[in-house]
Amino acid sequence: QQQVKQSPQSLIVQKGGISIINCAYENTAFDYFPWYQQFPGKGPALLIAIRPDVSEKKEGRFTISFNKSAKQFSLHIMDSQPGDSATYFCAASYSTSGSRLTFGEGTQLTVNP
Amino acid sequence: EAGVTQFPSHSVIEKGQTVTLRCDPISGHDNLYWYRRVMGKEIKFLLHFVKESKQDESGMPNNRFLAERTGGTYSTLKVQPAELEDSGVYFCASSRTRVTGEQYFGPGTRLTVT
Repeated sequence: QQQVKQSPQSLIVQKGGISIINCAYENTAFDYFPWYQQFPGKGPALLIAIRPDVSEKKEGRFTISFNKSAKQFSLHIMDSQPGDSATYFCAASYSTSGSRLTFGEGTQLTVNP
Repeated sequence: EAGVTQFPSHSVIEKGQTVTLRCDPISGHDNLYWYRRVMGKEIKFLLHFVKESKQDESGMPNNRFLAERTGGTYSTLKVQPAELEDSGVYFCASSRTRVTGEQYFGPGTRLTVT
């Protein structure tokens, strides 16, 4: 079964708008929740990550919101730019798993100018 | 610092043939992971090396897949014989420690089995 579910599959946002991508997980042992950004022809690159002891983490225009009781976390991209157009993956891992990542299916974000 | 490199970038083979993918991790990274993304689905874990030892190979689909890591440096993933369902993008990632944290991904090898 899929342990991390991501939505939406694709997202189109106007420049300057807010992009929101949601993920839900099942395994309560997960203790690390990163978001990866992937451009065509490149590998996924870590964008921002959060651990469950905090409810929000912000880095520049990117914010992760984390709801432990609901087992959900989301990525918010403020003031979205055309250069943000990429595929975004949420993921989760836990310490005793050797830190292997369990990914969501990805969201193709397009920011129109 | 050079990133994770993978070779080849693309490979097209016929069903039944053998293909070997190579990954060179970032120097000094003891942890090396293989992942695969099939048909636009999620990126799935295949296996994890710590230096030259297989730490976790629970994600390997079947015994047609063989991974090695020579001397704890580069790694190879061999598929023999290849089947149609093996098509996808194979990613390699490396990290310095086993503690949950950043994994650095290579650009991937796109494998097409016809």
